[in-house]
Amino acid sequence: NAGVTQTPKFQVLKTGQSMTLQCAQDMNHEYMSWYRQDPGMGLRLIHYSVGAGITDQGEVPNGYNVSRSTTEDFPLRLLSAAPSQTSVYFCASSYFRNRGPEDHTEAFFGQGTRLTVV
Amino acid sequence: AQKVTQAQTEISVVEKEDVTLDCVYETRDTTYYLFWYKQPPSGELVFLIRRNSFDEQNEISGRYSWNFQKSTSSFNFTITASQVVDSAVYFCALSENFGNEKLTFGTGTRLTIIP
Repeated sequence: NAGVTQTPKFQVLKTGQSMTLQCAQDMNHEYMSWYRQDPGMGLRLIHYSVGAGITDQGEVPNGYNVSRSTTEDFPLRLLSAAPSQTSVYFCASSYFRNRGPEDHTEAFFGQGTRLTVV
Repeated sequence: AQKVTQAQTEISVVEKEDVTLDCVYETRDTTYYLFWYKQPPSGELVFLIRRNSFDEQNEISGRYSWNFQKSTSSFNFTITASQVVDSAVYFCALSENFGNEKLTFGTGTRLTIIP
């Protein structure tokens, strides 16, 4: 089990360029999310998905697109990179077996992608 | 809307001292889930503990302990006999969803253990 894998680990973009941050999990988790971490602001939710074909916006979705065509993959697309998108990006996945309190689990995080937009 | 407040931005203690990291949360839901994550200098997020709103039992795991009090909406984390390896940023997080797809994080507390 690799868990949650994010690629690339580091990326430098020029303003206006587009790119896709990859996130893959091999745990068959239904729920996946993208967060960005900025100094002094903790992690903020960008987009999330509750299953293949279902995505929704989080707190800071502007400038980002997502899709969930398979259970395993949840790529994050930057449409036209801006310096304000310089950040560390984390992908997370989660699941539950049943609905009892004892079945609740934690969110599993990838190693992060450090993105710099110049 | 839910909110998590970690009022302590940075804490420094001398090794072997005890230290408590505070976490106060706000939610309108009666069912919710609380977490602590550790982010060491290497940058990954390490899961420490989860708690659901029905379970107010305190928990101890080695040198770590957690105090969950619904009456004060707090979920505090204590490290006993701190060690240099405990130096990290610690995040408290809240989920109102069983699937954890929408976590709300505090801004984190940077803990430095001075040898």
